[in-house]
Amino acid sequence: KQEVTQIPAALSVPEGENLVLNCSFTDSAIYNLQWFRQDPGKGLTSLLLIQSSQREQTSGRLNASLDKSSGRSTLYIAASQPGDSATYLCAVRLRNTNAGKSTFGDGTTLTVKP
Amino acid sequence: GAGVSQSPSNKVTEKGKDVELRCDPISGHTALYWYRQSLGQGLEFLIYFQGNSAPDKSGLPSDRFSAERTGGSVSTLTIQRTQQEDSAVYLCASSLSYSNQPQHFGDGTRLSIL
Repeated sequence: KQEVTQIPAALSVPEGENLVLNCSFTDSAIYNLQWFRQDPGKGLTSLLLIQSSQREQTSGRLNASLDKSSGRSTLYIAASQPGDSATYLCAVRLRNTNAGKSTFGDGTTLTVKP
Repeated sequence: GAGVSQSPSNKVTEKGKDVELRCDPISGHTALYWYRQSLGQGLEFLIYFQGNSAPDKSGLPSDRFSAERTGGSVSTLTIQRTQQEDSAVYLCASSLSYSNQPQHFGDGTRLSIL
């Protein structure tokens, strides 16, 4: 059974700092890994998707890396802003022909202080 | 363009009643997913559709839960004889296809069982 862990559960940083969020998973036979942000009372917003054959993906100030062998992914946020405050979730999809299931971590709640 | 639309946004009902939740995916998205998010449980996968068929129903918690999708578009999740433990936010997501495409989420339906 795939288990996904996100550490830390909460993080508070001053504006402008660079930061790293961590996601670890137990089964390395993954199809892809996706990072989301969730604002209070809202659904999830897709940030980056990394396919199993890729090592990293970048979008603006965000960079996500994937190391399947160690079962880890990181989300790097450069020059953090108060608008980045949200809960960040990673989701892992296993390699299985009919499996639609993505397993989510419990998230890291980020607060960026002005 | 229009994102994933879910209705109602909030639903309060009495224990024992049946409820129907609706999801309108992004136009052209053939894959559709239902998840449940509750306090202390994180985000749980319920069911996945590819077109009108559901190859993965592994997350449905009991036979009181069912879902259908017609015309490869709108999906309804039905919960019969609701229980208090069914209270949660029900989230729907869609993607272009089963393959390595990001999932896009709606804002969810907040279901409260009295």
